[in-house]
Amino acid sequence: DAKTTQPPSMDCAEGRAANLPCNHSTISGNEYVYWYRQIHSQGPQYIIHGLKNNETNEMASLIITEDRKSSTLILPHATLRDTAVYYCIVRVAAGNTGKLIFGQGTTLQVKP
Amino acid sequence: GAVVSQHPSRVICKSGTSVKIECRSLDFQATTMFWYRQFPKQSLMLMATSNEGSKATYEQGVEKDKFLINHASLTLSTLTVTSAHPEDSSFYICSAKVSEQYFGPGTRLTVT
Repeated sequence: DAKTTQPPSMDCAEGRAANLPCNHSTISGNEYVYWYRQIHSQGPQYIIHGLKNNETNEMASLIITEDRKSSTLILPHATLRDTAVYYCIVRVAAGNTGKLIFGQGTTLQVKP
Repeated sequence: GAVVSQHPSRVICKSGTSVKIECRSLDFQATTMFWYRQFPKQSLMLMATSNEGSKATYEQGVEKDKFLINHASLTLSTLTVTSAHPEDSSFYICSAKVSEQYFGPGTRLTVT
């Protein structure tokens, strides 16, 4: 699976959009981009995933560049409860038994 | 969404004893479950892939005789830490795969 690079930490003001970048320049054509987050002392929570088109769900939006070498997770209106470590992971096709390999992630601190 | 539970949430045991951790998929069947370990201030590390009805696949460096995995049904996988030592103290997290991977809340193991 391709390696990802994320900034170690970011701050965001409550109510503002949080934009979390991820670089995955060696991504292969059949690899999806996944985002999970982990709130302190809890198991990771699935957020969103995509292949090449932008995706949106009730939690977030995922913007993938046309060359697929980077992506941005957008939390449109961050709240204090969004403070967590956010992991960007690339993985072979959704739906198979592919394992998730976690990097160091980005610690997002949402401030009042 | 899919719910995964773990039991116990916290356990303290004495050095040399064995501890069993259960991972259950509550509202779906999972042929594949995964076990992770997380030390303080570190990311999740995949330990093994648990397949229903067959032997688990362990990641490099993980001792299969120390971390026994049993996946006897489509809703239950167990991890037994045998002859636990203080260095095995960690946060153990399981995940189960239906369409995506969903994680349990984790088990905090402390070996004294």
